[in-house]
Amino acid sequence: TQLLEQSPQFLSIQEGENLTVYCNSSSVFSSLQWYRQEPGEGPVLLVTVVTGGEVKKLKRLTFQFGDARKDSSLHITAAQPGDTGLYLCAGTNAGKSTFGDGTTLTVKP
Amino acid sequence: NAGVTQTPKFRVLKTGQSMTLLCAQDMNHEYMYWYRQDPGMGLRLIHYSVGEGTTAKGEVPDGYNVSRLKKQNFLLGLESAAPSQTSVYFCASSYGTGGYQPQHFGDGTRLSIL
Repeated sequence: TQLLEQSPQFLSIQEGENLTVYCNSSSVFSSLQWYRQEPGEGPVLLVTVVTGGEVKKLKRLTFQFGDARKDSSLHITAAQPGDTGLYLCAGTNAGKSTFGDGTTLTVKP
Repeated sequence: NAGVTQTPKFRVLKTGQSMTLLCAQDMNHEYMYWYRQDPGMGLRLIHYSVGEGTTAKGEVPDGYNVSRLKKQNFLLGLESAAPSQTSVYFCASSYGTGGYQPQHFGDGTRLSIL
């Protein structure tokens, strides 16, 4: 069984602060996805990383895939209340994804 | 553009009752998935399908059955509902394997078993 551990589980910060969420595994994945989920809705894809060491930027969000393709991080710069939500990482092999338990982020105005 | 549509959105069942959750996608995706999401936990794969007429077990398949008679539809059945099956169920679809084939999710079905 492939497991993904996300940390921290909960994060509450003030608007304007920076934060990093981690996603770690002992398994190698062919790709890794980050999703954001809001209450009452399904997860929405933020990014897919495929290459070890890859860094992708999406406005204030920076995603990094570890060199060994076992771990990833999500960094948010100058967080805003609109960033509030559940962030899920998912490691994918052969079309099947294993999800982490998520990080619940609250950004206070 | 509907994407992935799940019906019903909410349902309350009594222990022992049966029901079917319907998932429909209009993106011509080959792969479809059923997950359950419980408080404090991520999504756990119940069953999935790699194409019309095919199904396979995921991480937590016990107590559920699925069918994929049409490419656009993926049905999840509970034959005899149990309180442990109280959860939010998500359906997803994707084009298939490969690093750039993300899953598209529906908005979920909230199921309570009394």
